Amino acid sequence: EVELVESGGGLVQPGRSLRLSCATSGFTFKDYAMHWVRQVPGKGLEWVSGISWNSETEDYADSVRGRFTISRDNAKNSVYLQMNRLGAEDVALYYCAKAKHYDILSGPGDAFDMWGQGTLVTVSS
Amino acid sequence: AIQLTQSPSSLSASVGDRVTITCRASQDIRNALVWYQQKPGKPPKFLIYDASNLDNGVPSRFSGSGFGTHFTLTISSLQPEDFATYYCQQFYTYTFGPGTKVDLK
Repeated sequence: EVELVESGGGLVQPGRSLRLSCATSGFTFKDYAMHWVRQVPGKGLEWVSGISWNSETEDYADSVRGRFTISRDNAKNSVYLQMNRLGAEDVALYYCAKAKHYDILSGPGDAFDMWGQGTLVTVSS
Repeated sequence: AIQLTQSPSSLSASVGDRVTITCRASQDIRNALVWYQQKPGKPPKFLIYDASNLDNGVPSRFSGSGFGTHFTLTISSLQPEDFATYYCQQFYTYTFGPGTKVDLK
């Protein structure tokens, strides 16, 4: 059974940092791109970042570019999101998602076919 | 940036109704369009990729169509478990549509 489990969320002060983790099992992790998607409770979905199977390609939403960094460890079947200079606009439930494809920005043939349950990030003083 | 719009933003329907949701892209995305279903307190569930291909295990009452900038998700006979919010997503730059909430009339 495929499983994705996010952790690392919590309450953080504005301007501080947080590192999210997503531990996976049940599939060959190194063969697939991975992504982070966030959702403000009660609102819509926003793609945050994606990383290719071999970490050679990364991409970010404009809203987080330069502040967030995605990474993965294929030996640990895990993907991470380092979030710096957090602000009120970053408050959301953060999901990790497995892609159908090994690369990112590949167009047709791809989808986010498995999702974790999410980890909540709150930014407040 | 590629923008997606969905219509309607919400709809009320009864069990057995045929429901159609539209997703429009601001530029040509060929067939790189995915549909998800999300229920309260749950992550999105992947339904359809490449505009019209159902994921394994998705009931055949769900169907998708479209190419270029205009796409539709149709539920041929709405079931109680289908009341949810539906999102489209394009796979060139990963933008999501704003969602369509389907609730009970």
